[in-house]
Amino acid sequence: SYVLTQPPSVSVAPGQTARITCGGNNIGSKSVHWYQQKPGQAPVLVVYDDSDRPSGIPERFSGSNSGNTATLTISRVEAGDEADYYCQVWDSSSDHEVFGGGTKLTVL
Amino acid sequence: EVQLVESGGGVVQPGGSLRLSCAASGFTFDDYAMHWVRQAPGKGLEWVSLISGDGGSTYYADSVKGRFTISRDNSKNSLYLQMNSLRTEDTALYYCAKELRIAAAGPAFDYWGQGTLVTVSS
Repeated sequence: SYVLTQPPSVSVAPGQTARITCGGNNIGSKSVHWYQQKPGQAPVLVVYDDSDRPSGIPERFSGSNSGNTATLTISRVEAGDEADYYCQVWDSSSDHEVFGGGTKLTVL
Repeated sequence: EVQLVESGGGVVQPGGSLRLSCAASGFTFDDYAMHWVRQAPGKGLEWVSLISGDGGSTYYADSVKGRFTISRDNSKNSLYLQMNSLRTEDTALYYCAKELRIAAAGPAFDYWGQGTLVTVSS
């Protein structure tokens, strides 16, 4: 089965740039989606199809995907960005959705 | 406004059954595939199951295949998850989620419910 690997945690100071990676075999050939989940809340889609943003999501959130790594980039990080972030793809070989293990973003 | 409201969670003994429901509103329900995603306490997201808009195609995670059944009633704008032979490891918050686009390959989920908690314990 397809596996997505995320770092358990990323820390960044306010105003700096956070980069959260999602590793998978040839993930660059798949569409990657990213979700933000704050404690006690349902996940929120922040980036879809590698780099598109749903309406209402700040331009500070961006994504890229190439080779074996997809990356969610959060520019000018704010305290309110502190959350868990998950990547997701559809594995067509197994007809399964796959989530990464999640990354806890801490704003110092 | 799109709304997804789950119900049916509760406490059940190992080997028992539960039926979860998800009431949808604010969009043309039968245009969209729907999913169940679960999250064990303190853990990450785990995809459970998918059903196509017309209900004709279903898919399951290996961990629930043969025990869970996804279904929908488009006349009632409702999604269901029948869970049988429950195990302690099925304990989780169960979310229903709507796909972002109609019939898209590699779907993203643009709306999620608030979840319903299933606890499997003796």
